[in-house]
Amino acid sequence: QVQLVQSGSELKKPGASVKVSCKASGYTFSNYAMNWVRQAPGQGLEWMGWINTNTGNPTYAQGFTGRFVFSLDTSVSTAYLQISSLKAEDTAVYYCARRFIVSTAMDYYYYMDVWGKGTTVTVSS
Amino acid sequence: QSVLTQPPSASGTPGQRVTISCSGSSSNIGVNNVHWYQQLPGMAPKVVIYGNNQRPSGVPDRFSGSKSGTSGSLAISGLRSEDEADYYCAAWDDSLSGWVFGGGTKLTVL
Repeated sequence: QVQLVQSGSELKKPGASVKVSCKASGYTFSNYAMNWVRQAPGQGLEWMGWINTNTGNPTYAQGFTGRFVFSLDTSVSTAYLQISSLKAEDTAVYYCARRFIVSTAMDYYYYMDVWGKGTTVTVSS
Repeated sequence: QSVLTQPPSASGTPGQRVTISCSGSSSNIGVNNVHWYQQLPGMAPKVVIYGNNQRPSGVPDRFSGSKSGTSGSLAISGLRSEDEADYYCAAWDDSLSGWVFGGGTKLTVL
């Protein structure tokens, strides 16, 4: 079955970097783009951007440029999120979510159909 | 401040029907589909409605969705205790060229 398995929780100091992984299985990795979503403690969902798993081209949402980098290793069907110069406000659960396409008679549309279980990143001195 | 507006809370007793609204604009819900996610405590979000009113396999038919103009809504009938969760609406926003979410609605089953 389709699965996204994320790496384990991380505890980092301010200024450090972290790399979160999201390993896909059960489907052809390069056929579906990957989204990243952040959820700060007690808060709602916030879309960070997505990466084209065919070309490797990333797109970042407003507020997630500069310190955030999406990357791939297609040989192991894995997407990565790297955050540098960590700040306390980066403390959150980070989810990867597959972009699924639905074709209708008239059009097509996307939605995020399968999500990883999330990776908790805690930034504290 | 979320781009899509949801009520922060909703409640109902077992067996009741509850609806959760999601208000957007002409750049998101007005021209694109609404999707709904259920997030149980401590768990990842899970889609319960996609494409305004489509239910993924495995989601009970107690869940239904609709869209009118720039608003969408999620209805849950025959409310059960296991429906207690946070519910988020989402839509693509053409102006922002990105996904936007509602702030979430905490559903309590009394």
